[in-house]
Amino acid sequence: EVQLVESGGGLVKPGGSLRLSCAASGFTFSSYTMHWVRQAPGKGLEWVSFISGSPTYIYYADSLRGRFTISRDNAKNSLYLQLNSLRAEDTAVYYCARNYGVKKAFDYWGQGTLVTVSS
Amino acid sequence: SYMLTQPPSVSVAPGKTARITCGGNNIGSYSVHWYQQKPGQAPVLVLFYDSDRPSGIPERFSGFNSGNTATLTISRVEAGDEADYYCQVWDSSSDHVLFGGGTKLTVL
Repeated sequence: EVQLVESGGGLVKPGGSLRLSCAASGFTFSSYTMHWVRQAPGKGLEWVSFISGSPTYIYYADSLRGRFTISRDNAKNSLYLQLNSLRAEDTAVYYCARNYGVKKAFDYWGQGTLVTVSS
Repeated sequence: SYMLTQPPSVSVAPGKTARITCGGNNIGSYSVHWYQQKPGQAPVLVLFYDSDRPSGIPERFSGFNSGNTATLTISRVEAGDEADYYCQVWDSSSDHVLFGGGTKLTVL
């Protein structure tokens, strides 16, 4: 059974940093591109970043590039998202999701981890 | 940059057909994926590549994509279909993923 479990969320002050983790199981993690998607309270889904399995390819949403860093450790079946210079508008539930297909659907999602940026 | 437009809300009576649209410039040239999200839960993929259903998704869910509009159709709507629905595409020119703003489906 495919499982994705996020952790690392919490309350952080503006300008602070946080590292999110996503533990994957039930599939060959290194063979899959993985994504982070976030959702601000009461708002829609916003794609954040993806990283290929190798991990040769990394892409970010234009508005986030430079502050967020995606990475993975295939030996540990884990995906990460380093969040720096956090702002109030980064407050959201952050989901990791597994990529399906060349056209990048998301076939499995974690339950999400909440990041709250507030003083 | 490319944008996807969804109606904020759609209402339908039980047993009827709901249609949720996703508009975008020449969206018919993209592959559209659809997600269902119920309150407090993670999204669930209900259609991929315009009209394919993952295992476990009822045949009541179908999709079509042509021109400037993709449509998710839910036939014989049930109370359990009440949720937010999001369309999504991958823009190969920028290698970015895009979501529509979401549509809240209300079952009357």
